[in-house]
Amino acid sequence: GNSVTQMQGQVTLSEEEFLFINCTYSTTGYPTLFWYVQYPGEGPQLLLKVTTANNKGSSRGFEATYDKGTTSFHLQKASVQESDSAVYYCVLGHRGSALGRLHFGAGTQLIVIP
Amino acid sequence: DPKIIQKPKYLVAVTGSEKILICEQYLGHNAMYWYRQSAKKPLEFMFSYSYQKLMDNQTASSRFQPQSSKKNHLDLQITALKPDDSATYFCASSQSGTGTGNTLYFGEGSRLIVV
Repeated sequence: GNSVTQMQGQVTLSEEEFLFINCTYSTTGYPTLFWYVQYPGEGPQLLLKVTTANNKGSSRGFEATYDKGTTSFHLQKASVQESDSAVYYCVLGHRGSALGRLHFGAGTQLIVIP
Repeated sequence: DPKIIQKPKYLVAVTGSEKILICEQYLGHNAMYWYRQSAKKPLEFMFSYSYQKLMDNQTASSRFQPQSSKKNHLDLQITALKPDDSATYFCASSQSGTGTGNTLYFGEGSRLIVV
C-alpha cells in the first residue's frame, strides 16, 4: 500500500540552526511528493511539491529532493526562523489513487526558539 | 480572507446526536474533499467530490454523509455521533483532474468533540 514515515515527532532548534526532517515513503509506481505545513489554528498548506523522481523542490528556503533510490523525501532548511515554528507533514500522492486522496505522514512539530 | 470557509470552528455534541459541518470554497475549484484529523493520528482522507459527484469514499461508516448542494459547497452530515468521532474535520479543494498531483487547499477545520 501507500504510506509515509516521518521520524522525530518534535524538533526544537534555535534560530539560524539547520533543519532536517526525515521522511521515507512506500508505494508502487510514480508518486507525487509534497511537504505541507500547518500553523496553529490553520489548515495544512502546501510548502513544496515534486512530481518527478530525482528532482528537487524548494520554497521559502526549504528544500526536499525526491530520491527514488532510497524512497526518501527529506526536508531541509539551512537557517530556521522563529516564524517557521509549525507542524510539517510529508505527503504522498499516488497517481493510481483516486482524486485528492493524499497519504499524510504523522507530522513533525518544529519549535524554533528565538 | 480565507478562501475556504468552514463552519462551525468548534462544536460540542452529545453522543447519539447529529451534526452538519459546513464547507464553502471561493477558489473556483471543481473538486472538494473531506479529511479527518484525530488525536495522535495523521490526517486521513474521507471523501472526494468532483463536479458535485462522489468520486471516492474511504469512510467505512454510513453515518458520514457528504452533501453537495452547490458546486462550491460540500457539507458533511454525521449521524448517531460517537465519542470516537471526536476530531478536527478539514475541508479541502483543488482543480479537478486525474490522479493526486494537484495541490489541495485546506480550510481551517471544524473541531468536533463528542461527549
